[in-house]
Amino acid sequence: DIVMTQSPLSLPVTPGEPASISCRSSQSLLYSNGYNYLDWYLQKPGQSPQLLIYLGSDRAPGVPDRFSGSGSGTDFTLKISRVEAEDVGVYYCMQSLQIPGTFGQGTKLELK
Amino acid sequence: EMQLLESGGGLVKPGGSLKLSCAGSGFTFNSYTIHWVRQAPGKGLEWVCYMTSSSSSISYADSVKGRFTISRDYAKNSLYLQMNSLRAEDTAVYYCVRENPVLYGAKDVWGQGTLVTVSS
Repeated sequence: DIVMTQSPLSLPVTPGEPASISCRSSQSLLYSNGYNYLDWYLQKPGQSPQLLIYLGSDRAPGVPDRFSGSGSGTDFTLKISRVEAEDVGVYYCMQSLQIPGTFGQGTKLELK
Repeated sequence: EMQLLESGGGLVKPGGSLKLSCAGSGFTFNSYTIHWVRQAPGKGLEWVCYMTSSSSSISYADSVKGRFTISRDYAKNSLYLQMNSLRAEDTAVYYCVRENPVLYGAKDVWGQGTLVTVSS
């Protein structure tokens, strides 16, 4: 199975400041079609996870443009340009290249 | 609005069985690959299993293989997870999740989850 490793696991951020989360995979997520099968999800407190980013860098419909994803192969990053109060929660990366799909441990973003 | 609704969770003794249901609305449920993902209390997300729209492909996590069975009822626009030989470590919220081919397989619709508690 592909192992996904996120860092940091806890991320205190001042509102209005940027934030960055790293996700590394044990195998390349770059498929022969040129796409990286890496998604980002946010689970807000008391809610189900929601899709933010797919294919490493494509924002899902309705996701604010302060969220951006980058990376290729085994190293990926989720960036929030200016953190807002509604961004609090746990962020997960997930690879969908192979079955079983595997998630990172999660990064808990909280406000300072 | 596209929605998934799980039901069937509850308290069951170790070694017991439970059947979860997932129903979709606001989209053509039978046309989509559906996954089950679970989350133990206070823990992260764990993929459990999936079934394609045609039922031609099914796969399970090693942790549930041989104990859980996924199935679909096309007439009822529903998907099920039969869980047998339940263990304490199966205690979790179980989410029904849609895979969207337009988004290259990203999981874009999640149910609210149903809690399964395995305890004596």
